[in-house]
Amino acid sequence: TQLLEQSPQFLSIQEGENLTVYCNSSSVFSSLQWYRQEPGEGPVLLVTVVTGGEVKKLKRLTFQFGDARKDSSLHITAAQPGDTGLYLCAGARAGGTSYGKLTFGQGTILTVHP
Amino acid sequence: EAQVTQNPRYLITVTGKKLTVTCSQNMNHEYMSWYRQDPGLGLRQIYYSMNVEVTDKGDVPEGYKVSRKEKRNFPLILESPSPNQTSLYFCASRSWGGRTGANTGELFFGEGSRLTVL
Repeated sequence: TQLLEQSPQFLSIQEGENLTVYCNSSSVFSSLQWYRQEPGEGPVLLVTVVTGGEVKKLKRLTFQFGDARKDSSLHITAAQPGDTGLYLCAGARAGGTSYGKLTFGQGTILTVHP
Repeated sequence: EAQVTQNPRYLITVTGKKLTVTCSQNMNHEYMSWYRQDPGLGLRQIYYSMNVEVTDKGDVPEGYKVSRKEKRNFPLILESPSPNQTSLYFCASRSWGGRTGANTGELFFGEGSRLTVL
């Protein structure tokens, strides 16, 4: 069972469209990160959210951390072909012996057609 | 240039033949971790290390060993590889922000090691 459920797994859209990727869990996370990965490379960090309800913007990308710190979303406005890639959310579990453990979602493969 | 270096990048081996995937970082990071990436499953954490001589299991540690004798190196050892360990492996590192800053730092990933076990 995946601790972090990411949806959709595949997204194919036209340039200029908007999209949202979701990352959901029944567990509470102390922080959540979003990474983007291109073929043949390792993931690269886009953002870290720490506070429940937090919203961060990175140009056309908007990231939100749920109030209860169990879910997050990534919204892309006016997608461009350069946004094509694999998007991964990663949650750090809160407290106890979980320090150092990072759980990734299954990933969303985004393809933006010109 | 700040980087995480993994070797080998590609390896085909046979069941039972011990192998080691090396990982080295030049950023003086305390924290290092190994992940495997399989289609539809995202990245799953194998082992991590918060500092020299401190290692702990991730979510899928079975069949793997690690060691952290030096701060910069964190090798992944497969004592007796099996076909279900065929995967793409990533090593990553980051600064350790202490207990209050734990897990909020940027993870820097290597380029990956594609392993095939026949």
